Amino acid sequence: QQQVKQSPQSLIVQKGGISIINCAYENTAFDYFPWYQQFPGKGPALLIAIRPDVSEKKEGRFTISFNKSAKQFSLHIMDSQPGDSATYFCAASKASNYQLIWGAGTKLIIKP
Amino acid sequence: EPEVTQTPSHQVTQMGQEVILRCVPISNHLYFYWYRQILGQKVEFLVSFYNNEISEKSEIFDDQFSVERPDGSNFTLKIRSTKLEDSAMYFCASRGQGANVLTFGAGSRLTVL
Repeated sequence: QQQVKQSPQSLIVQKGGISIINCAYENTAFDYFPWYQQFPGKGPALLIAIRPDVSEKKEGRFTISFNKSAKQFSLHIMDSQPGDSATYFCAASKASNYQLIWGAGTKLIIKP
Repeated sequence: EPEVTQTPSHQVTQMGQEVILRCVPISNHLYFYWYRQILGQKVEFLVSFYNNEISEKSEIFDDQFSVERPDGSNFTLKIRSTKLEDSAMYFCASRGQGANVLTFGAGSRLTVL
């Protein structure tokens, strides 16, 4: 009930394309869904987060789509750039404690 | 931009030795966390700390682990008697009152031989 499943494990996208990473959760008590971006040698950095009261949130080229009934959420990166190459983690938690349960990560490579 | 600072960046130790990993959270943050990531695996929650006591801890955080905020600025994770399986990247994070953003440090890589 505590798992967050993330796919794909790795993704290669051409520059200018759309990168899509998917996550599914099990615990219906979760109400906070962040995406983190991690570059080699650095800690995870919050990219964008969503609460279940909205189905979509957009910040610049990054969009989270949220499907509460399916218990799924996804990250879309529009006009992907080589600088977006990183490992992306989805996570979920209760907003009351931010005890994040993490997905396994997706290594994204944007080809010039 | 304020950041969470972790030291050391890499520590190599012998099995059975005690290790202390140090973190300096963002100065006005009140909630502190330790997570770990074994190489090639998921990031896992270890413990959260607020108001000078542990708020929550995971199954991983057994009696070999302890946390402390010794001086109002540092937040430490101690592993009393390290095991090979403690080899991992340990991340400290902090969060401000009423905020929903955890700010992570760059991590401390622990290698147990």
